[in-house]
Amino acid sequence: AQSVTQLDSHVSVSEGTPVLLRCNYSSSYSPSLFWYVQHPNKGLQLLLKYTSAATLVKGINGFEAEFKKSETSFHLTKPSAHMSDAAEYFCVVTNTGGFKTIFGAGTRLFVKA
Amino acid sequence: EAGVVQSPRYKIIEKKQPVAFWCNPISGHNTLYWYLQNLGQGPELLIRYENEEAVDDSQLPKDRFSAERLKGVDSTLKIQPAELGDSAVYLCASSLDDVSYNEQFFGPGTRLTVL
Repeated sequence: AQSVTQLDSHVSVSEGTPVLLRCNYSSSYSPSLFWYVQHPNKGLQLLLKYTSAATLVKGINGFEAEFKKSETSFHLTKPSAHMSDAAEYFCVVTNTGGFKTIFGAGTRLFVKA
Repeated sequence: EAGVVQSPRYKIIEKKQPVAFWCNPISGHNTLYWYLQNLGQGPELLIRYENEEAVDDSQLPKDRFSAERLKGVDSTLKIQPAELGDSAVYLCASSLDDVSYNEQFFGPGTRLTVL
């Protein structure tokens, strides 16, 4: 069985400060992990993915995430928030055995000027 | 290159009426997904196709929902009859093939309101 938990439903930061969106997962198989972003009235867009290569993954728009197997975590970070980062972020897990795609409940990021 | 196309973007119907959603995946993508996204929640998989074969429909409520992917390209998702609780966004996605680490590309979704 597999699952994904996004630990914060809402995160609020000031522009120019760091962003941390937390994600924990469980998987019976070697997982692939993704972060997607959803802006209002737009489709989901891939930010980055982990597929058992480097544990530190760099994505678009300055985002990165680190896969920590011992902590079963895949937290998303960005050094400096921009107003355009305000959106809903989803952590996603799939696995190579059975191929199930599970989305987290999402974290809404607010960026204050 | 065109992305995943969905239509209509919005649909308002009365309960017990039928409704259908259409999806055209990215050219060359063999795998197609339909998701349901309720307000404030993450998408939940309804059905996954490999070419024209439904390989995972375990979460599809088969008493009222049906889907097809004729010729392994376009797909249609139908609800008959619709219920109030079906109000949600229906997302279509496609990926190159059935490999877990392949990126899924999402369409803009169809927002369904059942009155």
